[in-house]
Amino acid sequence: SQQGEEDPQALSIQEGENATMNCSYKTSINNLQWYRQNSGRGLVHLILIRSNEREKHSGRLRVTLDTSKKSSSLLITASRAADTASYFCATGASGSRLTFGEGTQLTVNP
Amino acid sequence: DGGITQSPKYLFRKEGQNVTLSCEQNLNHDAMYWYRQDPGQGLRLIYYSQIVNDFQKGDIAEGYSVSREKKESFPLTVTSAQKNPTAFYLCASSILRGMGSTGELFFGEGSRLTVL
Repeated sequence: SQQGEEDPQALSIQEGENATMNCSYKTSINNLQWYRQNSGRGLVHLILIRSNEREKHSGRLRVTLDTSKKSSSLLITASRAADTASYFCATGASGSRLTFGEGTQLTVNP
Repeated sequence: DGGITQSPKYLFRKEGQNVTLSCEQNLNHDAMYWYRQDPGQGLRLIYYSQIVNDFQKGDIAEGYSVSREKKESFPLTVTSAQKNPTAFYLCASSILRGMGSTGELFFGEGSRLTVL
């Protein structure tokens, strides 16, 4: 079953603008992760936030987690054309498996 | 270079044939996973394995089989019982954290299977 749901499904912005993607989930989690996928390629891990963390930064990425609302957001600042990709959230609960959402397709126009 | 290698990258199959997708990792990871991705959709878990000679069904295991005879290898067989096998298949691996929670997944580049 798909645990995470991303919003929006697609996002188109201009270079230099910020991009925000949201993820909602249904059950308790140990951590939440964000991945990026270029067309036809494998996924690449971006960032992991634990359930006891509220915010995390990595370069131009900022992730927030609100466990009371069961939601997370990924902010990409000062976007570049090379950021064009699909972005997925994945939730980790007890046990060694992640459940992925359906992704947000981000297009950054030069 | 450490990483995960999937082969073949593209595979065509006639209806009724079994096919096996290869996945090899040299990251010394304990856990390995197979996901299926359909166009415009997220990943669905087929099978996963935490240790050699042991594996568990994921959400869509019907029509698939796996083996884990070596730590480095986790091949997936798509059998003729899988009704709609055309998809993009992704293999991944990870270390196992305490309490069995999953850390970062490392993915291969995928295998695209098309049934003719």
